[in-house]
Amino acid sequence: GAGVSQSPRYKVAKRGQDVALRCDPISGHVSLFWYQQALGQGPEFLTYFQNEAQLDKSGLPSDRFFAERPEGSVSTLKIQRTQQEDSAVYLCASSRLQGSVGSPLHFGNGTRLTVT
Amino acid sequence: AQRVTQPEKLLSVFKGAPVELKCNYSYSGSPELFWYVQYSRQRLQLLLRHISRESIKGFTADLNKGETSFHLKKPFAQEEDSAMYYCALKWGANTGNQFYFGTGTSLTVIP
Repeated sequence: GAGVSQSPRYKVAKRGQDVALRCDPISGHVSLFWYQQALGQGPEFLTYFQNEAQLDKSGLPSDRFFAERPEGSVSTLKIQRTQQEDSAVYLCASSRLQGSVGSPLHFGNGTRLTVT
Repeated sequence: AQRVTQPEKLLSVFKGAPVELKCNYSYSGSPELFWYVQYSRQRLQLLLRHISRESIKGFTADLNKGETSFHLKKPFAQEEDSAMYYCALKWGANTGNQFYFGTGTSLTVIP
């Protein structure tokens, strides 16, 4: 596709439910990032993939958060036993080349998660 | 630690007036800096990057390593510039990729 695609656009979950958020990056993009954006804040880094390898997951806030990209393309961010503080917009971004100077991020529209 | 600071949460200017959105960073290595913009109901998108030394939509940003700043400027603001602006720092180009974002500045251009 022409851009990064995320689904669903909106997700309402009851506290304690598990959710799965999907990201379809731009074809051929090596790098894939997940960010969490709380209301009124900038995007906060969660995790980073280079192809299928998860190179950095230092931003995942707890072990309830898990991300995967098994074939180096589509990625899924899973949140287990959701809590109210997980309510945020989850942004996925992809980048063409790993480590290349000036290679920017291309963002999806995000998934707005509301935990009730 | 790598940090990006945008001191102004909200900024309002009149149409035709100059605008400057401030960004300061803290990084021990050689930084790559970007400005991203989010217009109403649109996705976050790249506005410009410091290595390109480009002017996009009339905006420019100069990296000042002495002051560790990367302020975004435009001499004459337009109504369509109203948006949320995020400064971002990229580091770890050789070992991975990390982008750190500031908290954003909401720019309103008053007609």
